Amino acid sequence: GQNIDQPTEMTATEGAIVQINCTYQTSGFNGLFWYQQHAGEAPTFLSYNVLDGLEEKGRFSSFLSRSKGYSYLLLKELQMKDSASYLCAVLDSNYQLIWGAGTKLIIKP
Amino acid sequence: DTAVSQTPKYLVTQMGNDKSIKCEQNLGHDTMYWYKQDSKKFLKIMFSYNNKELIINETVPNRFSPKSPDKAHLNLHINSLELGDSAVYFCASSRPVDGFNSPLHFGNGTRLTVT
Repeated sequence: GQNIDQPTEMTATEGAIVQINCTYQTSGFNGLFWYQQHAGEAPTFLSYNVLDGLEEKGRFSSFLSRSKGYSYLLLKELQMKDSASYLCAVLDSNYQLIWGAGTKLIIKP
Repeated sequence: DTAVSQTPKYLVTQMGNDKSIKCEQNLGHDTMYWYKQDSKKFLKIMFSYNNKELIINETVPNRFSPKSPDKAHLNLHINSLELGDSAVYFCASSRPVDGFNSPLHFGNGTRLTVT
């Protein structure tokens, strides 16, 4: 079966750095997405990785290792507004998106 | 504003009723989707339409029937509602002609509560 694993919940301090991991086992791989979802709102696109390595976009970076079936989302200089769920999703060989359950990130002052 | 908009935002109804959720996008996207997000926060694809044609139809009860009158609209009709249908339903759109890495744009969701 296809599976995406993420921690259920993480807590971090305002101004700090946090890394949210995602591991996947899917039938084929055509890219990995990270989305942010604030409580009661729609998911919004953060990043896309298809090649190994780090993609940096402001305070957020996303890393991919295809050989390890592993990605992480790195959030720097955390702000209170970063409190949200972060969803990892993989595009499989049929170009279907397989979603993780999301990681709820709690930011404390 | 360019966006994916869905109505209603909240829907409370009794078991056995029939209800519809409407979705419209003015982004010029070719593909639209319906997702269900349950209490455990998993997003599950239900249906996908490309230019009004059904391309993904996951294993959902046939009480759920999508309708796409044109490529900017994808509505979801649910017959004989059951308690287990309570969830948040998200409409989304994308533009796969830009590549399959084209991200999804989601509507704000419809929180359905069946009592």
